[in-house]
Amino acid sequence: DAKTTQPTSMDCAEGRAANLPCNHSTISGNEYVYWYRQIHSQGPQYIIHGLKNNETNEMASLIITEDRKSSTLILPHATLRDTAVYYCIVRVFGNYGGSQGNLIFGKGTKLSVKP
Amino acid sequence: NAGVTQTPKFQVLKTGQSMTLQCAQDMNHNSMYWYRQDPGMGLRLIYYSASEGTTDKGEVPNGYNVSRLNKREFSLRLESAAPSQTSVYFCASRLSGGSGNTIYFGEGSWLTVV
Repeated sequence: DAKTTQPTSMDCAEGRAANLPCNHSTISGNEYVYWYRQIHSQGPQYIIHGLKNNETNEMASLIITEDRKSSTLILPHATLRDTAVYYCIVRVFGNYGGSQGNLIFGKGTKLSVKP
Repeated sequence: NAGVTQTPKFQVLKTGQSMTLQCAQDMNHNSMYWYRQDPGMGLRLIYYSASEGTTDKGEVPNGYNVSRLNKREFSLRLESAAPSQTSVYFCASRLSGGSGNTIYFGEGSWLTVV
């Protein structure tokens, strides 16, 4: 699996967009970029994933550079409840069972949303 | 819509005691996982089960055993608890196939071994 690099921590003002960067310069052509978050020791929560096109859902947008070596997760209007650790993970997408379906979590970015 | 349910949420054990963490999912998922998370660290895979009747070791299996009782349930057992097993334990599940690698997690079980 390609390794990812994320900043240790970031701050964001409430109501503003939070832009969380992730570098994955060794990503392979068949690896997707996944984002999860973990709010204060709760179970990790799936946010979004993508391959090469930008993706958007009700929670966030994912912008992947054309060379796919980096990506940005965007929370368009951050609230205090978005304070969490955000994990960027790259993984092959496919019909894998068992450990091949595992996601390897690094230390992530601690996002603090401030009033 | 319960998703992944773990019990107990909190447990304190004495060194050498045994216990079982229970996990059940109601999403008809094939694969199930047990992770542990130590303070300030990411999640590490203990054991996984690709389908009913199969289990395999993950990154940190020592000191643990698992049982995939049926498609819904996947339990984690500590036979002789040690202080190094003090951690937060997360159960997770995934539907192998169309939904790819979207893994859904339970809320965690806090275990302290004294």
